[in-house]
Amino acid sequence: EDQVTQSPEALRLQEGESSSLNCSYTVSGLRGLFWYRQDPGKGPEFLFTLYSAGEEKEKERLKATLTKKESFLHITAPKPEDSATYLCAAAIISSGSARQLTFGSGTQLTVLP
Amino acid sequence: DGGITQSPKYLFRKEGQNVTLSCEQNLNHDAMYWYRQDPGQGLRLIYYSQIVNDFQKGDIAEGYSVSREKKESFPLTVTSAQKNPTAFYLCATRGGGYEKLFFGSGTQLSVL
Repeated sequence: EDQVTQSPEALRLQEGESSSLNCSYTVSGLRGLFWYRQDPGKGPEFLFTLYSAGEEKEKERLKATLTKKESFLHITAPKPEDSATYLCAAAIISSGSARQLTFGSGTQLTVLP
Repeated sequence: DGGITQSPKYLFRKEGQNVTLSCEQNLNHDAMYWYRQDPGQGLRLIYYSQIVNDFQKGDIAEGYSVSREKKESFPLTVTSAQKNPTAFYLCATRGGGYEKLFFGSGTQLSVL
């Protein structure tokens, strides 16, 4: 069964305290690994797509990396405005072309000033 | 502005009532999706549609119905058969050669 697991469930950081969020996956054929940011009461906002092990992508204080079993979202010197729930999702090779995403349950990040 | 519009933002359902959530997009995307989000859980796929007049059940389709009469619109009906409808509902699209999903702002459905 395809599965995506995120840890920790919640993370509280002081402003400037760097850390990493983990997304481990067990899927039968990975097409891509996606990271989204979701603010309370809003829809997820796209951050990154990673396609192959060893790939890295950066955006401001965020950097996403991918291995054959997991992905990390590294947050360097976070600010309070980085507080949100971060979701990862795996696109699997399926029999159809809909390329459905399997989502993890998210990590709720709180950055304290 | 290109985007996905979900309405209403908040919706309340009485017991035995069917309610319909609206999703409209002007991105010209072919594929549209409905997800359900419960607190502390990942997004779960309800229904998806790849083209007009065609749709498929997702993982949790029981108690829900959809239609896709126009490319721009993919409404979701939560029927009285759905006994635990309280959740945040998200509509998404995919297209334009992108693998990623684009999401609307969501509808919070609660039971009175």
